[in-house]
Amino acid sequence: QSVLTQPPSASGTPGQRVTISCSGSSSNIGSNTVNWYQQLPGTAPKLLIYSNNQRPSGVPDRFSGSKSGTSASLAISGLQSEDEADYYCAAWDDSLLAVFGGGTKLTVL
Amino acid sequence: QVQLQESGPGLVKPSETLSLTCAVSGYSISSGYYWGWIRQPPGKGLEWIGSIYHSGSTYYNPSLKSRVTISVDTSKNQFSLKLSSVTAADTAVYYCARQGAEWEPHDYWGQGTLVTVSS
Repeated sequence: QSVLTQPPSASGTPGQRVTISCSGSSSNIGSNTVNWYQQLPGTAPKLLIYSNNQRPSGVPDRFSGSKSGTSASLAISGLQSEDEADYYCAAWDDSLLAVFGGGTKLTVL
Repeated sequence: QVQLQESGPGLVKPSETLSLTCAVSGYSISSGYYWGWIRQPPGKGLEWIGSIYHSGSTYYNPSLKSRVTISVDTSKNQFSLKLSSVTAADTAVYYCARQGAEWEPHDYWGQGTLVTVSS
């Protein structure tokens, strides 16, 4: 059972906009920033969004993040076939424990 | 470019100790940053194991703390993980990663190594 809650799956057609939610609590998302990771099949996770809404160099601006209270969201606009992957939200808990969501498998139809 | 590479036995017997090493290239561990271990059981999500600062200070996931030791060897530019008394539940892909600072995300990851616990 993961500390952060994500939907197990999401889907969309090419060009569409999809969002993935992540729910936590006051001790993690509520008081610390949220990060998102993309894990393509058979590969290591890659940092996609940090500090709620910041993109590392090289990440397309089609990916955006937001946070409100104890929840966060990842939005992908202009969906492409190469976006098909697992997406994980993550945050630090106030006890200095890194917590992850269970992951959302994104399917591009 | 920072690169991390995990190495160690792919098969460990139950009750024994799992030992992995992460070799870092493109950056000197002694210059700073935190370095951590994360694992992913087959078909499941990510679990943070713990992190270490270049000075050697550590912090661990409470659920694993009694069995985990993370250490750093700045002379070899690598850090290591030891997990004792393993069971089948410890079977996972183990990743090493760089962490910007104490509360920051893991920005560089190794490719991961599968460790299977079985007799």
